[in-house]
Amino acid sequence: SQKIEQNSEALNIQEGKTATLTCNYTNYSPAYLQWYRQDPGRGPVFLLLIRENEKEKRKERLKVTFDTTLKQSLFHITASQPADSATYLCALDINAGNMLTFGGGTRLMVKP
Amino acid sequence: NAGVMQNPRHLVRRRGQEARLRCSPMKGHSHVYWYRQLPEEGLKFMVYLQKENIIDESGMPKERFSAEFPKEGPSILRIQQVVRGDSAAYFCASSPGGSTGNTIYFGEGSWLTVV
Repeated sequence: SQKIEQNSEALNIQEGKTATLTCNYTNYSPAYLQWYRQDPGRGPVFLLLIRENEKEKRKERLKVTFDTTLKQSLFHITASQPADSATYLCALDINAGNMLTFGGGTRLMVKP
Repeated sequence: NAGVMQNPRHLVRRRGQEARLRCSPMKGHSHVYWYRQLPEEGLKFMVYLQKENIIDESGMPKERFSAEFPKEGPSILRIQQVVRGDSAAYFCASSPGGSTGNTIYFGEGSWLTVV
């Protein structure tokens, strides 16, 4: 069965540093991968989508890489700020049609 | 342009009662998805609907759960005879199309507590 794994342990970093979050998947070859942010008590908010033929994508302080050989995506936040503290989710469209399969999420804590 | 609207935001039900969760998609969106997030677990896909049609309900429990998206009005997720294990956050999402790669937008969720 398909599996999407994110580091379940919280990531604590100092303000100004780069946060790097990992998403690994098995038994699937997705056409694209998405990253979302979720704050406590709120719904997920779409951040970035990267397609299988794209190695890297950037949006402001965010950068996503997609290695289909390693079956891994890395999500980077540069110059991190306390406001970046949240849970970050990666998601794959396993069956097409936007029915997403999510990883368990990684909680990021940025300390001032 | 209002986002995906869900209500109620919080709902408390006793075991055996029914829960009805409503979702109005973003304007212009005709594709609706329901997801469930159990405590300390990830988001799980439940059902995908278009107006008057269930496209995929592979993530929906076989009993007690049903969903609809009528021609007029919001999408409804209905849970009959609720049990404590149904306590979770239920998120609705919508998109303008069902093609792979369309951005989907989530609502703020409906938090069901079964006592």
